[in-house]
Amino acid sequence: AQSVTQPDIHITVSEGASLELRCNYSYGATPYLFWYVQSPGQGLQLLLKYFSGDTLVQGIKGFEAEFKRSQSSFNLRKPSVHWSDAAEYFCAVRDSGGGADGLTFGKGTHLIIQP
Amino acid sequence: DTAVSQTPKYLVTQMGNDKSIKCEQNLGHDTMYWYKQDSKKFLKIMFSYNNKELIINETVPNRFSPKSPDKAHLNLHINSLELGDSAVYFCASSQVGVNEQFFGPGTRLTVL
Repeated sequence: AQSVTQPDIHITVSEGASLELRCNYSYGATPYLFWYVQSPGQGLQLLLKYFSGDTLVQGIKGFEAEFKRSQSSFNLRKPSVHWSDAAEYFCAVRDSGGGADGLTFGKGTHLIIQP
Repeated sequence: DTAVSQTPKYLVTQMGNDKSIKCEQNLGHDTMYWYKQDSKKFLKIMFSYNNKELIINETVPNRFSPKSPDKAHLNLHINSLELGDSAVYFCASSQVGVNEQFFGPGTRLTVL
């Protein structure tokens, strides 16, 4: 069964500093990978996704992520965080078989921005 | 022009009651999902519906039943509510073959 690990439950970053959120997955074949963001009291918004091709993917709000097959990782990065980036971030994986499978989520990383 | 909408946003009820949460998507997608987010923010798939056919049921108690009157709607019915059902429930939709899922704003269910 596929699984996703986000090793950092909480991360605190100063405004303007760079950010990297870690995500490791366990899956037999090439998975489809996603990062979602959840602001307090809100639903989930897709930041970016990886299906195939270029392993560095660009997303919304200045985020990017790099797929590294050798490390089974899909880490999310942002060069300079803003106070509005404070939120819960979820990495997710799903079967690349093209069916109607749901997403398997990691447990999330809570991002705190210090002024 | 909300893509995926849910009603109600908040639902407070007593143990043993029966309740429903509604979900509608206007994206023309053919697959809809229900997820449960527990108090620790862990998200887990409950159901998916594709062309009115249940595809996945992930060890969810049979007190939970999804109902899809048409391709744009997937409602969640819960019978005999228990304290442990308190959570945020998210509806999502996607087009099979295009793997991005769009989520609704969530329904916070509190069982007293």
